[in-house]
Amino acid sequence: LAKTTQPISMDSYEGQEVNITCSHNNIATNDYITWYQQFPSQGPRFIIQGYKTKVTNEVASLFIPADRKSSTLSLPRVSLSDTAVYYCLVVGGGSQGNLIFGKGTKLSVKP
Amino acid sequence: DTEVTQTPKHLVMGMTNKKSLKCEQHMGHRAMYWYKQKAKKPPELMFVYSYEKLSINESVPSRFSPECPNSSLLNLHLHALQPEDSALYLCASSEGQGRWEQYFGPGTRLTVT
Repeated sequence: LAKTTQPISMDSYEGQEVNITCSHNNIATNDYITWYQQFPSQGPRFIIQGYKTKVTNEVASLFIPADRKSSTLSLPRVSLSDTAVYYCLVVGGGSQGNLIFGKGTKLSVKP
Repeated sequence: DTEVTQTPKHLVMGMTNKKSLKCEQHMGHRAMYWYKQKAKKPPELMFVYSYEKLSINESVPSRFSPECPNSSLLNLHLHALQPEDSALYLCASSEGQGRWEQYFGPGTRLTVT
């Protein structure tokens, strides 16, 4: 199973770009990398998914190097409402994958 | 409709009670999940249903009993719970077949007294 490691917490200011890195050294060939955002007392919300190189959507970008042993979630121009816990989740190419959430990164955005 | 609904929002039950948590989605997803989340911890996978069949049971105690009556509904039956079972119980769904984007419900806050 691909265990993930993320920084426990990060601080930023409004308007800055935030990059959160996740390490997944044991990622398998068929695994994908997904990221979720969670606010207190709410269910996680899917942000982005990628397999290799770069993926971008209206919310974030995901950068994955060639060896796929890490990934970086990039949030452009964060606001106070982006204060949340961000989870990196490696999911397997099998029927359901491992679906094990790491400890997450608590992002605090300050004015 | 990209919503997963869960009822009830809050539940308080005694250790001898029997109760059920309900989850519903109308996105045509064929995989549904139950997670348990304690305060300031990540969600922990409990069960996975794929095409209405239980495909993963993460060694969950038998006092938790999942049920998938049809492709849109997922239940979690609770019996003889312990105070340490108090947590936020999250339901999620995904398309299945290698499509990993999970849609989570708001959760049921369970307190066992």
